[in-house]
Amino acid sequence: DTEVTQTPKHLVMGMTNKKSLKCEQHMGHRAMYWYKQKAKKPPELMFVYSYEKLSINESVPSRFSPECPNSSLLNLHLHALQPEDSALYLCASSQGPGQGPEKLFFGSGTQLSVL
Amino acid sequence: GNSVTQMEGPVTLSEEAFLTINCTYTATGYPSLFWYVQYPGEGLQLLLKATKADDKGSNKGFEATYRKETTSFHLEKGSVQVSDSAVYFCALVTGNQFYFGTGTSLTVIP
Repeated sequence: DTEVTQTPKHLVMGMTNKKSLKCEQHMGHRAMYWYKQKAKKPPELMFVYSYEKLSINESVPSRFSPECPNSSLLNLHLHALQPEDSALYLCASSQGPGQGPEKLFFGSGTQLSVL
Repeated sequence: GNSVTQMEGPVTLSEEAFLTINCTYTATGYPSLFWYVQYPGEGLQLLLKATKADDKGSNKGFEATYRKETTSFHLEKGSVQVSDSAVYFCALVTGNQFYFGTGTSLTVIP
């Protein structure tokens, strides 16, 4: 199994809603990532979890709240988003520090629209 | 610091044409280098990689060689197909920090 699975594929939410994005991998990877991607742009790193601990937070607004319940799961909780937060949200995983040469495996993403 | 500079697109080619997408990098240490491909509405897929100088990564007819002397990792394919139409991202990793280029959009017309 070399997949990173993200749900939902599409999400439309209002600015007062609370929703969550989910990500799952069963490759035994110990690092998991959230990226935000705007159209025709490269992915921008938001958060990195390494061995289930938050290791990187790229100054992301508090309306985005990550959670790593276990080594296979990664969530992104959304609250009071703004229209400019509309984007493709990508989850990725990698083996993790000290596990050999790194490479990222990406999910298909959640296309988020904030109205 | 670490960064990746990629040739600007968009690139439009006829089927069976030769493709080159340029990528140069700046890095401390000894990075691994990657090409990722993104098809419309999907996430990024690893296309090929190289972990040290003079390594050649290859996959699906695409090739790239890790050139330390020119700090480059140019993507090439001898004969493109319509199905190769996508956005291509050059990337490097050092430690577990990944750095992406801006992406190059490729359209192949029949």
